[in-house]
Amino acid sequence: DAGVTQSPTHLIKTRGQHVTLRCSPISGHKSVSWYQQVLGQGPQFIFQYYEKEERGRGNFPDRFSARQFPNYSSELNVNALLLGDSALYLCASSEMGGAGELFFGEGSRLTVL
Amino acid sequence: GQNIDQPTEMTATEGAIVQINCTYQTSGFNGLFWYQQHAGEAPTFLSYNVLDGLEEKGRFSSFLSRSKGYSYLLLKELQMKDSASYLCAVRPDGSGNTGKLIFGQGTTLQVKP
Repeated sequence: DAGVTQSPTHLIKTRGQHVTLRCSPISGHKSVSWYQQVLGQGPQFIFQYYEKEERGRGNFPDRFSARQFPNYSSELNVNALLLGDSALYLCASSEMGGAGELFFGEGSRLTVL
Repeated sequence: GQNIDQPTEMTATEGAIVQINCTYQTSGFNGLFWYQQHAGEAPTFLSYNVLDGLEEKGRFSSFLSRSKGYSYLLLKELQMKDSASYLCAVRPDGSGNTGKLIFGQGTTLQVKP
């Protein structure tokens, strides 16, 4: 079975540009969460979506937005990119209920120049 | 506030036992997770504790004391492949927002021959 898939794996943007990152959850998982991981730090929670509704939002500016589609895949959008947005963006899917451990994708590494 | 503390780096010898500690102060508690992350890869799930006590899974064990806000991950019979970053994470909210984890900065473990 396929795990969580993310695209693109690497991308380079310049300040002020916009970026869209994509994520497909594990089949059967309806919850998708996005995390930002800066080098040397632990992941930081950005958003959670469940059944196409936002269920949680971390401490990130309004330049960050996301959505979930009927097939449970998700997009993370970041506008007006800043140098500090350079990071690994991780998508995680989970089942609701039980331990509900998160299964992470390999991430999209964004470099902002 | 939300705060999770773990040592930044640890070194141990192949075949030995190492304990990685984690202390937390969060607004709520609905479980504690340990993840392993090799350089350039996605975090992978190791263990989950929601009740006090020890959970054992092969060479890995995890302990939780909710009254002390304390957990540890115990790795036995260390192997070179165990060299990685170990992330402690707390789920502060209950059902409906299970995709939100608060991560510590990670402990980089180096296993030497």
